[in-house]
Amino acid sequence: DSGVTQTPKHLITATGQRVTLRCSPRSGDLSVYWYQQSLDQGLQFLIQYYNGEERAKGNILERFSAQQFPDLHSELNLSSLELGDSALYFCASSREAGEYTGELFFGEGSRLTVL
Amino acid sequence: GIQVEQSPPDLILQEGANSTLRCNFSDSVNNLQWFHQNPWGQLINLFYIPSGTKQNGRLSATTVATERYSLLYISSSQTTDSGVYFCAVVFYGNNRLAFGKGNQVVVIP
Repeated sequence: DSGVTQTPKHLITATGQRVTLRCSPRSGDLSVYWYQQSLDQGLQFLIQYYNGEERAKGNILERFSAQQFPDLHSELNLSSLELGDSALYFCASSREAGEYTGELFFGEGSRLTVL
Repeated sequence: GIQVEQSPPDLILQEGANSTLRCNFSDSVNNLQWFHQNPWGQLINLFYIPSGTKQNGRLSATTVATERYSLLYISSSQTTDSGVYFCAVVFYGNNRLAFGKGNQVVVIP
């Protein structure tokens, strides 16, 4: 158990819909990262938050947004869903701000299927 | 460009065999981790090893940062070692964890 909690574990929805994925970081970790794993793209970095503020942005679509709340949990919102958004979405956390020098711990992922 | 290359992409092992997985990276790094993704999709931390050698049970890893590679050794493999092994690095100045495409390992009894 990494200590990073993600919900839901599985989600099936239709094209055009909107979903929210939730992540609780390990106790004491201030940084949260979101990654997408799809069959054709591998593991791709989406976005990082540190203590409530966006710190780094990767290959995140405009239809996707995220935020980190005062209690440090984070949500990833996916809207106007397309078939190609079907993937495993991971959240990770670490203590560091953004130098990425420390170890990242991943949650179990949220498997999204868009029909 | 920035690259993380893992080899071999696929590996089939007889239970009890040893193996070495390799990760080459194209530039200097300040973070390197090895993960195991099990058949259920979970990403499990194996090693945080930007340099040097570490051992954990039947697994060990070595990173030679000056030569831009890392090795993961699996000894006396077991069927539970099956899955995909990912190397992930943070390049200086890039500030994001970049993953290789993984080594798919199948251990047969």
